Amino acid sequence: EIVLTQSPGTLSLSPGQRATLSCRASQSVSSSDLAWYQQKPGQAPRLLIYGASSRATGTPDRFSGSGSGTDFTLTISRVEPEDFAVYYCQQYGYSCFFGQGTKLEIK
Amino acid sequence: EVQLVESGGGLVQPGGSLRLSCAASGFTLSSHWMHWVRQAPGKGLVWVSRITGNGVEATYADAVKGRFTISRDNAKNTLYLQMNSLRAEDTAVYYCTRDTRYDGHPSFDYWGQGTLVTVSS
Repeated sequence: EIVLTQSPGTLSLSPGQRATLSCRASQSVSSSDLAWYQQKPGQAPRLLIYGASSRATGTPDRFSGSGSGTDFTLTISRVEPEDFAVYYCQQYGYSCFFGQGTKLEIK
Repeated sequence: EVQLVESGGGLVQPGGSLRLSCAASGFTLSSHWMHWVRQAPGKGLVWVSRITGNGVEATYADAVKGRFTISRDNAKNTLYLQMNSLRAEDTAVYYCTRDTRYDGHPSFDYWGQGTLVTVSS
């Protein structure tokens, strides 16, 4: 079983600041199989990034993904008010696993 | 427009059964593997099960193996999750989601709105 650990648990920022969210895997995973999702209260998750670094359709270019092996990062270059949400990383495999989430909140 | 609409959730006693449905529209269901993902109140996302496009192969999370069965009827454009021997810890919003491969990279690109399952006496 792959365990994905996201940090920090909560990130408090002001609009316009840079957000850096981390996802660490308990064992090496293929970058091809790493995705990021955004979830707002009362809504279903939304795909942001696939293949560790490719933006899904409709994902603003202020969002970027990077990383390989066991360490992956989601970066929001300048946080907009609509970006405050919970973010999950996901590893796709024979079984699929999600991280526990990082809550991006308004400071 | 791609749409996934879950139904069938509700209140059930421990040990009981429930069948969830997910009606798909706007795409050819048989062309996509499909998944169920759940989210307990106030908690994170947990993958539950996956089924191949033709319904031949299914995979389950350890927590539900032997109790839940995923299936599909492509002619009816519907995905199912049969849940038996339900436990309090199965209480969650259950989402169906579409598996897709952009440039060969797998992800879940469309999600339903979810259906709440509450297991309680």
